[in-house]
Amino acid sequence: KAGVTQTPRYLIKTRGQQVTLSCSPISGHRSVSWYQQTPGQGLQFLFEYFSETQRNKGNFPGRFSGRQFSNSRSEMNVSTLELGDSALYLCASSSGSAQETQYFGPGTRLLVL
Amino acid sequence: GENVEQHPSTLSVQEGDSAVIKCTYSDSASNYFPWYKQELGKRPQLIIDIRSNVGEKKDQRIAVTLNKTAKHFSLHITETQPEDSAVYFCAAGKAAGNKLTFGGGTRVLVKP
Repeated sequence: KAGVTQTPRYLIKTRGQQVTLSCSPISGHRSVSWYQQTPGQGLQFLFEYFSETQRNKGNFPGRFSGRQFSNSRSEMNVSTLELGDSALYLCASSSGSAQETQYFGPGTRLLVL
Repeated sequence: GENVEQHPSTLSVQEGDSAVIKCTYSDSASNYFPWYKQELGKRPQLIIDIRSNVGEKKDQRIAVTLNKTAKHFSLHITETQPEDSAVYFCAAGKAAGNKLTFGGGTRVLVKP
């Protein structure tokens, strides 16, 4: 089976712009979770989508949003980018059952200038 | 919400020695505890996990123990090898959904 893929892998934006990141889960997986990884804050949960519905949400501002399509692919959007949004954004897929292994994608590295 | 603390933040061991990383969590409802290894520039990869109905789990050189009463769990790596050098993350999750709360990470360096 192909692993989790994320596009693009690298992205440079300027403050105030918006960005959309994409995640394709492992075939058959219905849950996609998004995490932000920074040197200062570590790995932080953004949100989880399961069967096109947001099932869990972390403590990020409303500028961070996401969605999931019927084929389980997910996108996350960040509007009005700030310098502090520079990070590695990781998505993880799983079958959707609780306590099942989450498999991470390679991440999208976002740099906000 | 859940809070996971991980210690130490860095760990240097001699090849062949053991490494121990400890994590504590705050939410007694958490019942799933995975450990991830992240090599430089790569994605986190699950190395072992434990659920709350089990006190200990072992997979070759890696073992995890869980003390639900004290709300802490630990990762033990025996006979360390240079390829064990990486950042290790503990995490805690609950039965509902797939939200994981991660510890701050431990950078392990195995010196040959």
